[in-house]
Amino acid sequence: GQNIDQPTEMTATEGAIVQINCTYQTSGFNGLFWYQQHAGEAPTFLSYNVLDGLEEKGRFSSFLSRSKGYSYLLLKELQMKDSASYLCAVRDGDYKLSFGAGTTVTVRA
Amino acid sequence: DAGVIQSPRHEVTEMGQEVTLRCKPISGHDYLFWYRQTMMRGLELLIYFNNNVPIDDSGMPEDRFSAKMPNASFSTLKIQPSEPRDSAVYFCASRGPGEQPQHFGDGTRLSIL
Repeated sequence: GQNIDQPTEMTATEGAIVQINCTYQTSGFNGLFWYQQHAGEAPTFLSYNVLDGLEEKGRFSSFLSRSKGYSYLLLKELQMKDSASYLCAVRDGDYKLSFGAGTTVTVRA
Repeated sequence: DAGVIQSPRHEVTEMGQEVTLRCKPISGHDYLFWYRQTMMRGLELLIYFNNNVPIDDSGMPEDRFSAKMPNASFSTLKIQPSEPRDSAVYFCASRGPGEQPQHFGDGTRLSIL
C-alpha cells in the first residue's frame, strides 16, 4: 500500500513562492503526480515525475527524490487564482494512483 | 476535445433508493477509474477498468456498490440500496496508454437523505 503525507494548509502572499512537500512510503513506485483542485471542481493534472530531479513548467516546478521518498511542488509568482488544494499522488506498479489528503494553499493580497 | 463526461452533476435522493452514476471517458483512453472524495477520507479509488475489463475493485466499500463498463465509451457506478454515508463527490477519470496522466470528469455530487 501507499502512505502519503503532505501539509494540510499553507498561506502565502501574492507574488511570493510556496513549496509544498510530499513524503511517501510505497510498496511499488511508478511515478509521482501533482494535481490542482479548486473548490467544487475536478482535480486537474499539473506535473509528473518518474526520475529524480526537477521538472519545470512555467510558474510551477516539481522535484522528486526516489531514494528519500520525497517530492515537492514549487509555485512561483503566486497569483490569487492559485488558491486551491494541491494533491500529491503516487502511482504503483499496477498503475493505480494513491492520493495524499491535499494541501490547501491560500494566497493573500 | 471533449473531456471526461459525467452525469448527473448533482443527485439528491432518499436512503434506500438505487443510484446510478454515468461516465463517458475520453475517446481512445483505455483505462477508466472511479473515485470517491469526502472531507474525512480524501480521494479514494473505488475500481478501475482496462479495456472495459475490471482490474481491481478492492476499493469498492461493500456489495451495495457495483460498476460496469459495457463498452469503451461508457461506464456506470451503481449503489443499491443507498445510505446517507454514501454522500460524497464521485469522480470518473480516464487515461491513455503509457505514462499519460489521468483526466478527471467534473464529478457527481451525491447526497443521500
